[in-house]
Amino acid sequence: SYVLTQPPSVSVAPGKTAKISCGGNDIGYKSVHWYQQKPGQAPVVVVYDDDDRPSGIPERFSGSNSGNTATLTISRVEAGDEADYFCQVWDSDSEVVIGGGTKLSVL
Amino acid sequence: QITLKESGPTLVKPTQTLTLTCSFSGFSLTTSGMTVGWIRQPPGKALEWLALIYWNDDKRYSPSLKSRLTITKDISKNQVVLTMTKMDPKDTATYFCAHAKFDILIGPFDYWGQGSLVTVSS
Repeated sequence: SYVLTQPPSVSVAPGKTAKISCGGNDIGYKSVHWYQQKPGQAPVVVVYDDDDRPSGIPERFSGSNSGNTATLTISRVEAGDEADYFCQVWDSDSEVVIGGGTKLSVL
Repeated sequence: QITLKESGPTLVKPTQTLTLTCSFSGFSLTTSGMTVGWIRQPPGKALEWLALIYWNDDKRYSPSLKSRLTITKDISKNQVVLTMTKMDPKDTATYFCAHAKFDILIGPFDYWGQGSLVTVSS
């Protein structure tokens, strides 16, 4: 089955840039979606299809995907960005696959 | 405006069967490209996809849980039902239903319910 690997945690100072990775075999050939989840809430899509943003999501959120790694980049990080972030792909064998999640801490 | 809401028991005993209902509005599961999925999250842990049903009644399941899951839809009620057999304390989790659109591939889950916490305990 297809596996997505994320770092358990990432820490960043306010105003700096956070990068959250999502590793998978040839993930560059797949469409990657990213979700933000705050405590007690349902996940929200912040990036879809590698690098598109839903309406209402700040331009500070961006995505890239190549080779074996997809990356969510959050520029000019704010305290309100502190949350868990999950990557997700569709795989022909495993269907919907979700990464283990990364806790973003804003120092 | 698309909304989804989960309903079902908050407590089930080990070995019992769990039945959860997702009631939705703002779209129809008879419309080409519409799908509804179920995703769960144990307390403090990651999201885990469970099942997906398509507008054409195609169904997909998590390979690791396939033998225990059944997903169905009731078009007249705008509902999707998930059943999970042989419940175990490890199945304690918040269960979410969510909407996704299918084009060439499944898109992101763009609308989610609030989630329903299910505890498995005797």
